[in-house]
Amino acid sequence: GAGVSQSPRYKVAKRGQDVALRCDPISGHVSLFWYQQALGQGPEFLTYFQNEAQLDKSGLPSDRFFAERPEGSVSTLKIQRTQQEDSAVYLCASSLGTGNFHEQYFGPGTRLTVT
Amino acid sequence: AQSVSQHNHHVILSEAASLELGCNYSYGGTVNLFWYVQYPGQHLQLLLKYFSGDPLVKGIKGFEAEFIKSKFSFNLRKPSVQWSDTAEYFCAVNPNTGFQKLVFGTGTRLLVSP
Repeated sequence: GAGVSQSPRYKVAKRGQDVALRCDPISGHVSLFWYQQALGQGPEFLTYFQNEAQLDKSGLPSDRFFAERPEGSVSTLKIQRTQQEDSAVYLCASSLGTGNFHEQYFGPGTRLTVT
Repeated sequence: AQSVSQHNHHVILSEAASLELGCNYSYGGTVNLFWYVQYPGQHLQLLLKYFSGDPLVKGIKGFEAEFIKSKFSFNLRKPSVQWSDTAEYFCAVNPNTGFQKLVFGTGTRLLVSP
């Protein structure tokens, strides 16, 4: 079956531009996560949705980062006024339920390069 | 600060050698533990997980991990590696705070030479 998909796969932005990254989770998955993976590091948690509700945004690094999931399926991560330190791979993951025993399925990521 | 540590950043082995990758975490209380793998050009995928019960857990492709609570460790092992095990391996912890968010280590790049 279809896995988690993300688009675009690669994005180059000039410093100061706004970007929008899309995540299509596995159909029927309640939970959706965004992670940021800098070069040579492990993924770092950004935010978590349960259906359309954003229950945890403690990992968003600044108020330039905004995420939404208005209908409880597709999610968009928006970064305003991009900075060079925003260059990273942005990973989306989804899981079927809300319990800790549910496996997170990861997408291929969007590689953002800010020049 | 609470964290997950993977001490081996790069490991090079010959085929048939045994593998052990270290993972230590600094969270107190109950935690859920995971190992994820990322093969070249592919997505992160789950190798194995520990929630409770037998501290020795078996995962896919012959991998296993042992949870040692007193050492805050969850080391990954495989008795005999294959060239196809070349990948990056990430240890992750869910601090069991109510949500499923994962805290990852920095990863270990494994290269298996044929």
